[in-house]
Amino acid sequence: EAGVTQFPSHSVIEKGQTVTLRCDPISGHDNLYWYRRVMGKEIKFLLHFVKESKQDESGMPNNRFLAERTGGTYSTLKVQPAELEDSGVYFCASSQDGQGRNNEQFFGPGTRLTVL
Amino acid sequence: DAKTTQPPSMDCAEGRAANLPCNHSTISGNEYVYWYRQIHSQGPQYIIHGLKNNETNEMASLIITEDRKSSTLILPHATLRDTAVYYCIVRVETNAGKSTFGDGTTLTVKP
Repeated sequence: EAGVTQFPSHSVIEKGQTVTLRCDPISGHDNLYWYRRVMGKEIKFLLHFVKESKQDESGMPNNRFLAERTGGTYSTLKVQPAELEDSGVYFCASSQDGQGRNNEQFFGPGTRLTVL
Repeated sequence: DAKTTQPPSMDCAEGRAANLPCNHSTISGNEYVYWYRQIHSQGPQYIIHGLKNNETNEMASLIITEDRKSSTLILPHATLRDTAVYYCIVRVETNAGKSTFGDGTTLTVKP
């Protein structure tokens, strides 16, 4: 069974440009999460989708970040315009159920974003 | 979610048991203890979780004290591939997404 996949693995852009990160969760997982680790800091939660709906987006840093999950399958995270402090690794995770014994989260390999 | 405290680093000899402690003195009654690890630059990997009873799976064992204020993750026979950063997180089981990983413990398994 394929795990969580993320694309691209690396992205280098200039300040002010736009970048779109993609996450494909494990097939059949309704829950999809975005996290990020900016340089020298902890891995932080960004938001949580249940199917196509945003369940919790309290971790989104500002309105330059837009996450979508049209159709409840893959998700995209757009940063527009990118700033230097957005550099870091963006992780996506999915889980079968948001609660109960099946809420184990499976993480993707991450996208390393560098803003110059 | 409750805050956790872990030692920044630990060493373990290959083949020996690795015991990683975590303090969570402000844990609430409905919060579970979760353990994840991150190997090098890969995404975090779920290891185990529990509420108050000790848990064991194919990867590790989790020992939670009776007062639930601390726990220990045990890797029974550490291998070099277990070298990673180990994160202890406490959260309610219904709030799976919203968690902060903290700094974790960097475990180095040495030959």
